[in-house]
Amino acid sequence: AQKITQTQPGMFVQEKEAVTLDCTYDTSDQSYGLFWYKQPSSGEMIFLIYQGSYDEQNATEGRYSLNFQKARKSANLVISASQLGDSAMYFCASLPYNFNKFYFGSGTKLNVKP
Amino acid sequence: DGGITQSPKYLFRKEGQNVTLSCEQNLNHDAMYWYRQDPGQGLRLIYYSQIVNDFQKGDIAEGYSVSREKKESFPLTVTSAQKNPTAFYLCATCAGQPNSPLHFGNGTRLTVT
Repeated sequence: AQKITQTQPGMFVQEKEAVTLDCTYDTSDQSYGLFWYKQPSSGEMIFLIYQGSYDEQNATEGRYSLNFQKARKSANLVISASQLGDSAMYFCASLPYNFNKFYFGSGTKLNVKP
Repeated sequence: DGGITQSPKYLFRKEGQNVTLSCEQNLNHDAMYWYRQDPGQGLRLIYYSQIVNDFQKGDIAEGYSVSREKKESFPLTVTSAQKNPTAFYLCATCAGQPNSPLHFGNGTRLTVT
């Protein structure tokens, strides 16, 4: 099994600034994927970005990038140029490739201040 | 448009009653999942199914049951044995490739009084 830890229950960031949301994972698996999701107050889960354990470069998707440090088992999400619409819960998740179970962290609630 | 439909969006039941939450998908995905989310918490896996007529218990399966008679459908029954059924329930599917994310429905908010 994998354990995902998100140590920041809540965070504030000023509009237009960058913010980093932390995620660490505990696994003995060699092959796995890491995912970030956004959950607005309406409840839907929105997929943001994916990083494979064998990917040498950090993933980027628009204003989202993933700071992947394999040796430290961390996969932090960086949001650049924060917008008011970024206010939401953010979840980190992992998927061991030899299983079909996704493991989720407890989430970080991000508030973007105008 | 391909997607996942959960119905209803809000559901109210009296304690002691079984209730079934619907999840339908037209993404042609083999794998389907049910998660429970409590306020301010993360997602916990209830059941998952990787193929028709087969499913596995997740981390909190007690008090729940599922069926997978069709690829498109994965209904979840919350039984009277579930001690704290009030929660937000999310259904998801996955294409099954290593880089495939979960695709979620919009959820059903169940309130049991």
